[in-house]
Amino acid sequence: DTEVTQTPKHLVMGMTNKKSLKCEQHMGHRAMYWYKQKAKKPPELMFVYSYEKLSINESVPSRFSPECPNSSLLNLHLHALQPEDSALYLCASSQALGRGADEQFFGPGTRLTVL
Amino acid sequence: AQSVAQPEDQVNVAEGNPLTVKCTYSVSGNPYLFWYVQYPNRGLQFLLKYITGDNLVKGSYGFEAEFNKSQTSFHLKKPSALVSDSALYFCAVRDPYSGGYNKLIFGAGTRLAVHP
Repeated sequence: DTEVTQTPKHLVMGMTNKKSLKCEQHMGHRAMYWYKQKAKKPPELMFVYSYEKLSINESVPSRFSPECPNSSLLNLHLHALQPEDSALYLCASSQALGRGADEQFFGPGTRLTVL
Repeated sequence: AQSVAQPEDQVNVAEGNPLTVKCTYSVSGNPYLFWYVQYPNRGLQFLLKYITGDNLVKGSYGFEAEFNKSQTSFHLKKPSALVSDSALYFCAVRDPYSGGYNKLIFGAGTRLAVHP
């Protein structure tokens, strides 16, 4: 299985809602990533997990809260978002950190709209 | 500063013609370079990478890329374009200052439009 899956595909939420994005991979990868992508722009790195521990937080606002319950799952908890947070949220994985030659495998993304 | 440039916002090619999507980079040391493709409302798909060795790298779907150290370029090529190749293409380089973290520096992206 060489696939990264993400649910839901689409999410519409109000600014007072709490929601979660989910990501799953079964490739045995030990590094997992969250990216935010605005239309026609490159992805922007948000968080990196290595062996289920948060390794990088790219100064992301606290209204985004990542969680890695196990080596296959990655969640992104959302609370009190702003309309400008509307974007495509991509999850990715790679074999492990410290292996800079490894490509990242991306999921299809969750299209988030904040009203 | 480490950076990747894709000088063309859009490339238009007729089906069957060769295509080139340009990428230049500026990083310290030996670069790890990647090409990804993104179809509408989809995630990024890995096409190919250059780490070391042969300057001509072959990847998925008939794509290849040529690493040129003197010109600091890593252009994506395909001998015969297909309409289905129409998508957004991103060049990326590993940030050498990200320590053990595989942080990628992406170019702005180039939209490839292949016309029948």
